[in-house]
Amino acid sequence: DTEVTQTPKHLVMGMTNKKSLKCEQHMGHRAMYWYKQKAKKPPELMFVYSYEKLSINESVPSRFSPECPNSSLLNLHLHALQPEDSALYLCASSQELAVGNEQYFGPGTRLTVT
Amino acid sequence: AQSVTQPDIHITVSEGASLELRCNYSYGATPYLFWYVQSPGQGLQLLLKYFSGDTLVQGIKGFEAEFKRSQSSFNLRKPSVHWSDAAEYFCAVSLDAGGTSYGKLTFGQGTILTVHP
Repeated sequence: DTEVTQTPKHLVMGMTNKKSLKCEQHMGHRAMYWYKQKAKKPPELMFVYSYEKLSINESVPSRFSPECPNSSLLNLHLHALQPEDSALYLCASSQELAVGNEQYFGPGTRLTVT
Repeated sequence: AQSVTQPDIHITVSEGASLELRCNYSYGATPYLFWYVQSPGQGLQLLLKYFSGDTLVQGIKGFEAEFKRSQSSFNLRKPSVHWSDAAEYFCAVSLDAGGTSYGKLTFGQGTILTVHP
């Protein structure tokens, strides 16, 4: 099973709201990723967790707060977002955080900030 | 810095025709190479990957890709396209980033494939 699940599929939130995106995998992968994808663009890496520890933060604004409660779950907490943060948010996982490990992506959460 | 170029932003083919999507990378050593496909509003699905060995790689859904070191290319091919292949295709490379073992995925800009009946 190479499935990564993400909830919710769609999310509309105001600029003062607090919401969370959830990602889950049961492949025993120890690396998990958050990407942001704008329309007609490739995914942009935001955060990487390895063995439940934050390994990479690609200079993401603090209004995005990741959390890895256990090896299967990854959350992205959202607060005080801007309209330009509207995008498809993709979660991915890989066996390890290492060169060449293929990443498996979830279907994404389509976020609209009003 | 490593980079990936997909020269074709949009390609249109007829159903049943052959397909080749181009990908060029810029790096001194041989990278790990991937092709992903993304249907509208969906996540990315891994089609195939190349690490080493045989330069012709078979993937899922009837796709194959050929690694050519002399041309720094990793082009994706399919002998006969189906309407369900209409999607966006991303080439990606994974390299050792900054001397660590972390392999960041660097994506090309993507190629949108339209299939005419």
